This record gives sequence, structure tokens and C-alpha cells, in this order.
Amino acid sequence: DSGVTQTPKHLITATGQRVTLRCSPRSGDLSVYWYQQSLDQGLQFLIQYYNGEERAKGNILERFSAQQFPDLHSELNLSSLELGDSALYFCASSGTGTSGGRAVRDTQYFGPGTRLTVL
Amino acid sequence: TQLLEQSPQFLSIQEGENLTVYCNSSSVFSSLQWYRQEPGEGPVLLVTVVTGGEVKKLKRLTFQFGDARKDSSLHITAAQTGDTGLYLCAGAGGTSYGKLTFGQGTILTVHP
Repeated sequence: DSGVTQTPKHLITATGQRVTLRCSPRSGDLSVYWYQQSLDQGLQFLIQYYNGEERAKGNILERFSAQQFPDLHSELNLSSLELGDSALYFCASSGTGTSGGRAVRDTQYFGPGTRLTVL
Repeated sequence: TQLLEQSPQFLSIQEGENLTVYCNSSSVFSSLQWYRQEPGEGPVLLVTVVTGGEVKKLKRLTFQFGDARKDSSLHITAAQTGDTGLYLCAGAGGTSYGKLTFGQGTILTVHP
């Protein structure tokens, strides 16, 4: 058990719909990362939050958004869903600190993931 | 864009054999992490290597970080059926800041 929790475990929805995925990081971790894993793309970084603020963006679509709340849990919102959005979505957390305004890299611990199926 | 080339993509061996998985990049990473992932589950951290030339051992698994911190390898001695799974290398640092850059993964199947 990594200490990172994600809900729900499975999500089945229709095209055009909107869903919210939730993540609680390990106790004390300030950074939360979201990744998408599909069969043809592997694990792709979407976005990082550090202590409530967006820190880095990856290949995240404009239809997707995320936020990190004061209690450090994070939500990933996916809207106008398409068939191609079907994938595993993982959240990871790390005890990333800052140095000179930059995030300091640290080991990331992954949650169990949310499997999204868009029909 | 930082890329990690992981090889081989598939590995099918008999129990008791040794194997090595490679992870190579033209970019320098501040650290490299190895994960193992079961189908439908999240990646589980095996090890983090930080120093160039570093070697870490975890029972039958030996991890090495290249001197230039651009490549890494995972060697498994006397593989067991329980080693079956997807092995992923992931680099942190350089221009990627906090995010991890993942290799494509190696699907290992160990037959009894």
C-alpha cells in the first residue's frame, strides 16, 4: 500500500459526459501528479500541483482540468468525454520541496488508479 | 523533450534464468526510478537511484545507474514466476522538473 488513495476504482460513462476523479496523497506529501496510461501511449504525465498551486503541465487536454485543495487532496475533471479518453488514470504524490522556487525532484508513490471507460 | 528508451519490450524466460532490462536516454536525469506494475493496478516503486555509477540491490534484483546518469539497468538473478509483470523505468529531473518521464515498459513473463 503506497498510502495514496484514489476514487472511484472504476468509472463507466458515455461520450460527452463529465467526470471527476479524486486523489488523496500520502500523509505529509505536498505534491500531487496526475498520469494517464493507455495501451498505445504508456504512462503520460498530465499535470502537477504543489501545495495547492499548479506547478507543471504535460500533455493535458483543454477538456481536462485539475485542482488541489487546502487539505491537499486533488481532483481531475474530465469533460466532453470521447472514446479515446478511456484509460487508466493514476495519481502520484511525493514529498517534493522547493529550492530557489523550483520543485525538487523526489520519489513518487502511485495510487491504485481509476479505470475510465467511455462508451 | 526527454525520452527514455526501454528494452526489451517483451521478455519471456524460464524460471531460474537471469535477465537484464535496459533504460537509455540522451538526457541527464537527477534520479531514476524503477517500478513494477500488475495489470489494472498502480506502479509500485522498486528503487530510486540518484548517484551516477550507483548500484542498488534488492534481493535478487540489481539496479545500476550509469556514470553519466543517462541510463540504467535492472538485472534479475534466478527469475521466479512471481517476477512476472510490467517493469517501468522513469527519469526525474533535468528539464522535466517534477514530472516523471517513463520508458515504454518491459513485459516480463517467467514460465515455470
